[in-house]
Amino acid sequence: GENVEQHPSTLSVQEGDSAVIKCTYSDSASNYFPWYKQELGKGPQLIIDIRSNVGEKKDQRIAVTLNKTAKHFSLHITETQPEDSAVYFCAASTGTASKLTFGTGTRLQVTL
Amino acid sequence: GAGVSQSPSNKVTEKGKDVELRCDPISGHTALYWYRQRLGQGLEFLIYFQGNSAPDKSGLPSDRFSAERTGESVSTLTIQRTQQEDSAVYLCASSPWRTGGGETQYFGPGTRLLVL
Repeated sequence: GENVEQHPSTLSVQEGDSAVIKCTYSDSASNYFPWYKQELGKGPQLIIDIRSNVGEKKDQRIAVTLNKTAKHFSLHITETQPEDSAVYFCAASTGTASKLTFGTGTRLQVTL
Repeated sequence: GAGVSQSPSNKVTEKGKDVELRCDPISGHTALYWYRQRLGQGLEFLIYFQGNSAPDKSGLPSDRFSAERTGESVSTLTIQRTQQEDSAVYLCASSPWRTGGGETQYFGPGTRLLVL
């Protein structure tokens, strides 16, 4: 089955700096890659996703890149703010009606 | 519109007791998923429903775990004879059944289960 690895497990950046989180996946059939943000005591919230027919997607300060050949995808957050502090999870699936396989999470802390 | 809701938000039970966790998906979402999240860890898939049938139950950890769904509505996850290792947050997600976006899953706030 699918295996998703995520790095780093913790990341501390200063406000205004950029943060990058990387994930690799094992199943070449995976074609959907969402990123979720989870704040303490809450459920995961989708922040951005990418499908395998594109290599990059951007939404304001957040961007995701996908390299299908290398089977890795990354989350980029620019101009970080204290409210970006949370745990971020990457995931992969083979599409509609398929379970998500999650990475182990990255705890991002944005310091003033 | 309203998001995915789950109840109860917190549940404390004694070892050996049965518990029922409820999920109300987003209206019109035909797919429903249950995941488990142990403290400080990622999410583990448990079971998936399409309508009221469960094509994928591969993540259920033992026969103490079962789930059902009424039509394209409420789902209940039941854990019988609870054990301390069942303590976790149980998350429900729903998604629409369509191509081009049907794979996006929207999560509820979770039920925090503590087995004493």
